[in-house]
Amino acid sequence: GQNIDQPTEMTATEGAIVQINCTYQTSGFNGLFWYQQHAGEAPTFLSYNVLDGLEEKGRFSSFLSRSKGYSYLLLKELQMKDSASYLCAGEEGAGSYQLTFGKGTKLSVIP
Amino acid sequence: KAGVTQTPRYLIKTRGQQVTLSCSPISGHRSVSWYQQTPGQGLQFLFEYFSETQRNKGNFPGRFSGRQFSNSRSEMNVSTLELGDSALYLCASSPELDSGYTFGSGTRLTVV
Repeated sequence: GQNIDQPTEMTATEGAIVQINCTYQTSGFNGLFWYQQHAGEAPTFLSYNVLDGLEEKGRFSSFLSRSKGYSYLLLKELQMKDSASYLCAGEEGAGSYQLTFGKGTKLSVIP
Repeated sequence: KAGVTQTPRYLIKTRGQQVTLSCSPISGHRSVSWYQQTPGQGLQFLFEYFSETQRNKGNFPGRFSGRQFSNSRSEMNVSTLELGDSALYLCASSPELDSGYTFGSGTRLTVV
């Protein structure tokens, strides 16, 4: 099974760059997701990493190191609308068909 | 393309009652997963269905059950409700493994 850890809260300034880290201990790990969740809304898909390295998608990038059990989500040119919870989720492999989520990082973007 | 639809959006039930929640996946998606989200525990996996078969179940008591129909729509049922079952119940659908999971807006259940 998996144990996923990420910081509870972070604060960053509009226009800045912020990195949200996620560490995991897993067996049978398949890949790692990042989701964004605004208060009262559904989680929305941001990225999926199955191979080591950096995946860039506009202002958002995600990195995975399988050997280190480590991932991060990088948000550039922060906007006020980026204030949300960011959820790291590991996908179990070997026929498990489930995601194990961290408790989420609440990001507050301030002017 | 319609997203994942969950009904109802809000529900208030009394302890001891039972409840059924519904999820309609994105058209063409055959995998449906259910998650419980609470402030203290975050999102926790309940179960996953594919082609009407439950493929995996999380660590929840037997009071939590589900099923999937031939059109891929899914329901989950919670019997003998407890105060601790108050949570946001999220459904996610996927066309196949490794293809990403799209979540519905959830059903917020309050048990009083």
